[in-house]
Amino acid sequence: AQTVTQSQPEMSVQEAETVTLSCTYDTSESDYYLFWYKQPPSRQMILVIRQEAYKQQNATENRFSVNFQKAAKSFSLKISDSQLGDAAMYFCAYRNYGGSQGNLIFGKGTKLSVKP
Amino acid sequence: GAVVSQHPSRVICKSGTSVKIECRSLDFQATTMFWYRQFPKKSLMLMATSNEGSKATYEQGVEKDKFLINHASLTLSTLTVTSAHPEDSSFYICSARVDRGWVQETQYFGPGTRLLVL
Repeated sequence: AQTVTQSQPEMSVQEAETVTLSCTYDTSESDYYLFWYKQPPSRQMILVIRQEAYKQQNATENRFSVNFQKAAKSFSLKISDSQLGDAAMYFCAYRNYGGSQGNLIFGKGTKLSVKP
Repeated sequence: GAVVSQHPSRVICKSGTSVKIECRSLDFQATTMFWYRQFPKKSLMLMATSNEGSKATYEQGVEKDKFLINHASLTLSTLTVTSAHPEDSSFYICSARVDRGWVQETQYFGPGTRLLVL
């Protein structure tokens, strides 16, 4: 069975600085998706970034980028120029590729605080 | 991005009553919908997966007779908590996804429903 591990329960960053959130996963599959979701205090889950395993290029979305290391099964999220609105719980998630029953497997989350 | 709505956003009910939560995909047709439960400061726990027109698939340990799921159309799924008890108090989140054949699109989440059973 696939698992997702986020080893940092809490992280803190100064406004305008850069922070990296760690995520590792375990799978025997070669094709899969990886995601980072953000859950602010409103508790609305928001997709931050998505990576397809077959793509070697790391996904980027404005200030958010990932470091995808397939061999190491690592998928870290880098937030550049951190803003107060980035404060939230961040969940790393895995999903098998294809099929109608591919469900998201979430890590336990990392709580990010942003200091002004 | 796609929008998923949930109603109500919060509900308080008496023990023994039933509560229905609606989940709608507003600007897309969702092939698959999911229901999650989230305890305070915890991750999301998948309760069940449903496809339009077919019975929901429940995760191990989730009572299907207690948590009734109906995926009546491509834009609406409902979760009914029957004979609710205080231990059912939680935050319930729905999610929707479009599956195009073998390819699965991104999964979008509703804003959640906070249920408090007195």
